[in-house]
Amino acid sequence: AQKITQTQPGMFVQEKEAVTLDCTYDTSDPSYGLFWYKQPSSGEMIFLIYQGSYDQQNATEGRYSLNFQKARKSANLVISASQLGDSAMYFCAMREESGYALNFGKGTSLLVTP
Amino acid sequence: DVKVTQSSRYLVKRTGEKVFLECVQDMDHENMFWYRQDPGLGLRLIYFSYDVKMKEKGDIPEGYSVSREKKERFSLILESASTNQTSMYLCASSLGPIAYGYTFGSGTRLTVV
Repeated sequence: AQKITQTQPGMFVQEKEAVTLDCTYDTSDPSYGLFWYKQPSSGEMIFLIYQGSYDQQNATEGRYSLNFQKARKSANLVISASQLGDSAMYFCAMREESGYALNFGKGTSLLVTP
Repeated sequence: DVKVTQSSRYLVKRTGEKVFLECVQDMDHENMFWYRQDPGLGLRLIYFSYDVKMKEKGDIPEGYSVSREKKERFSLILESASTNQTSMYLCASSLGPIAYGYTFGSGTRLTVV
């Protein structure tokens, strides 16, 4: 069964606008971590933000914030003030305490337009 | 600058060849992983290793094997390459605790003809 679901294959946003990329997850493990990665066309995977299942506050890193709704099992990424350089694939991923590996969603392709 | 290095950025191999993809990390990480990435499918785990000489199958291990003789090196082996193994292969490493995150290599784009 798919553990991470990203329902938006592609998104458009205008420069300087905010955008939300959706991610829902499925686990019965009480301890887990949620990650977002950015993959530009060059192919490298760039870590953006992390949220632990026991963290009380939503994680923030600069223009990135993670909207963590534990009861809904959602971990949406919010990018504020989009820039042209934000155009990339974005992957949501989860690691459960009981495992070692990251489980990835299928990704969302974001295009930022002038 | 800490990193994960994959030996080849692009590779073209013939059907039936034995292919080795090499990955080296300089961060003294216990865990290492091999993923393949295909459009519309995201990243899928092939194999991982949590210690030297230890390996575990991931979600799609068929047609692959791995080797980890030293802590810093994790090799992915395609025993007999087939065209359906044409893909982007990503290596990653991590420390044990969840919050420490994962570091990825720059990927190897393998084409099997």
